Amino acid sequence: EAQVTQNPRYLITVTGKKLTVTCSQNMNHEYMSWYRQDPGLGLRQIYYSMNVEVTDKGDVPEGYKVSRKEKRNFPLILESPSPNQTSLYFCASSLYQLAGGREQYFGPGTRLTVT
Amino acid sequence: KQEVTQIPAALSVPEGENLVLNCSFTDSAIYNLQWFRQDPGKGLTSLLLIQSSQREQTSGRLNASLDKSSGRSTLYIAASQPGDSATYLCAVWSGGFKTIFGAGTRLFVKA
Repeated sequence: EAQVTQNPRYLITVTGKKLTVTCSQNMNHEYMSWYRQDPGLGLRQIYYSMNVEVTDKGDVPEGYKVSRKEKRNFPLILESPSPNQTSLYFCASSLYQLAGGREQYFGPGTRLTVT
Repeated sequence: KQEVTQIPAALSVPEGENLVLNCSFTDSAIYNLQWFRQDPGKGLTSLLLIQSSQREQTSGRLNASLDKSSGRSTLYIAASQPGDSATYLCAVWSGGFKTIFGAGTRLFVKA
């Protein structure tokens, strides 16, 4: 089954304790992306990757890191989480087509609480 | 900077009614526009993708149109059902390979 998976689905942590949220897709997609969703602010893009070893900042990259060492995986790293990073996080993937015919597929989300 | 706006923010209709959700964007230089559905506490389900060269796409009771020149897209839902109750989001892929989302329209269909 074609899918995007995220782990963990729920995470409660404390300020400053490094954490990683994993994202994996089995559709051989080049493009992968991370978003956060907050009430009243909607979905905002954190980082995206157009292929292995190619990443770039979205609109809200501060406090986050990413890496793309394999095509199927795109982990999100919070080196020193703070309470303002409490949010619902989504990973997405798609084929990378300059012509524009790219449909994004989303993972189920990771609800992160930083105390 | 691309901005995406969805109106109305919330909508309540009786079952069976046809309805239109609106999405507007400020920069017409987009590659595509995608409509999603999100149920409370859940992920996003893709409904329709319209490429920049297309005017509309249809899937079942859903029809999405795109007018790049005016910076607008509409999602038409025919014969609404209680199961259609959800938040509907539009997203545009524009320059720099970024994706910009609207804040969504929360739809409630009353039985």
